[in-house]
Amino acid sequence: QSALTQPASVSGSPGQSITISCTGTSSDVGAYKYVSWYRQDPGKAPKLLIYDVSIRPSGVSNRFSGSKSGNTASLTISGLQAEDEADYYCNSFTSSTTYVFGTGTKVTVL
Amino acid sequence: QLQLQESGPGLVKPSETLSLTCTVSGDSINSVGYFRGWIRQPPGKGLEWIGNIYYTGTTYYNPSLKSRLTISIDTSKNQFSLRLSSVTAADTAVYYCVVPKPGQFDPWGQGILVTVSS
Repeated sequence: QSALTQPASVSGSPGQSITISCTGTSSDVGAYKYVSWYRQDPGKAPKLLIYDVSIRPSGVSNRFSGSKSGNTASLTISGLQAEDEADYYCNSFTSSTTYVFGTGTKVTVL
Repeated sequence: QLQLQESGPGLVKPSETLSLTCTVSGDSINSVGYFRGWIRQPPGKGLEWIGNIYYTGTTYYNPSLKSRLTISIDTSKNQFSLRLSSVTAADTAVYYCVVPKPGQFDPWGQGILVTVSS
């Protein structure tokens, strides 16, 4: 199974909004609601940000939002803050009853 | 609150078997409806889903690892384990144990670095 495609890096200024795309196929992202997003700080385990395409777990800031259109899912960070600098990964369930992660995106706050 | 802790050797020789255990606290390992799973991350690279095991023992594996992989549950010890045979340097990674629910992975263990080297 091939990794989902994410941009290697995305940057923005404080207060701006940025969007990270996650492109898969009709056998994964396009087929199921089971798309999730994770944030990973250096040397730390990833943390769940979004699940079921657009649902935020308790405690996650409402500056983070998720959506999906066709085979592409997106994570939007609004009101960008310096603390948002991290690596972000998407994940999707697949038609093979497996899971696949995205290639990862490094977010930089200018 | 559910907590997970990985344990096992940090160094494995090429061609040998990598064995890791995840100890779960705060809940029963065989709670109805629960999956357990493993994810890895090579140094400086992205995340790779390894596989999941359902509380019944049913397993789901990454096709690229399936021929070398065994995930099992030891309910008496509230643990689940990963065994990866015939390892090479490409298997060097931080290995995380996780609690997958349909479509999400949360929580995660802190991770354990396993290096494959002679």
